[in-house]
Amino acid sequence: ILNVEQSPQSLHVQEGDSTNFTCSFPSSNFYALHWYRWETAKSPEALFVMTLNGDEKKKGRISATLNTKEGYSYLYIKGSQPEDSATYLCASLTTGGFKTIFGAGTRLFVKA
Amino acid sequence: DTAVSQTPKYLVTQMGNDKSIKCEQNLGHDTMYWYKQDSKKFLKIMFSYNNKELIINETVPNRFSPKSPDKAHLNLHINSLELGDSAVYFCASSQEQGRRSPLHFGNGTRLTVT
Repeated sequence: ILNVEQSPQSLHVQEGDSTNFTCSFPSSNFYALHWYRWETAKSPEALFVMTLNGDEKKKGRISATLNTKEGYSYLYIKGSQPEDSATYLCASLTTGGFKTIFGAGTRLFVKA
Repeated sequence: DTAVSQTPKYLVTQMGNDKSIKCEQNLGHDTMYWYKQDSKKFLKIMFSYNNKELIINETVPNRFSPKSPDKAHLNLHINSLELGDSAVYFCASSQEQGRRSPLHFGNGTRLTVT
């Protein structure tokens, strides 16, 4: 994988559903992975910074896991609420440079 | 208290004009960035400055020139605007050159070139 890929592109769920989406990134020269939450008409806000293989991070109902060997991270939302509706971006950082490469995001819609 | 602020929020201008977008951060961060959100909604890095020094300069036309008068400011000047420059431009800052510390974004500037 040369780029950061996120799937699905969009997701529609009902309030109370739990959901998850995937970020795939280059596993070679891995340095860090960031997850961001981007609400419409606002700017992206950082959720997690993950650096170690096997990392698990949690913030309220949102959690994330990281597998650096195979180059993927999962973001989970438990009991989705309408206010969780946003685009969730992941970004990969590699060693040897200072660039943050973003995926296109997963657009989550939570219906009440 | 706005952490990363960029102005203007909207910018509509004609082809051939020169325009600037300003960015300021009050977080005390050492590194600042300009990103462009392309037509497919990807955020693409354009420039990065660390302590007023240019450290990343992606393949961006030289009509785009960043200027960092101090580490709290990174302005973007665009000469001879073209239709293809229409996009949303985001300024961001981070504490450690965007590695393990996350990016803090401004709210974006929507540039429309007619």
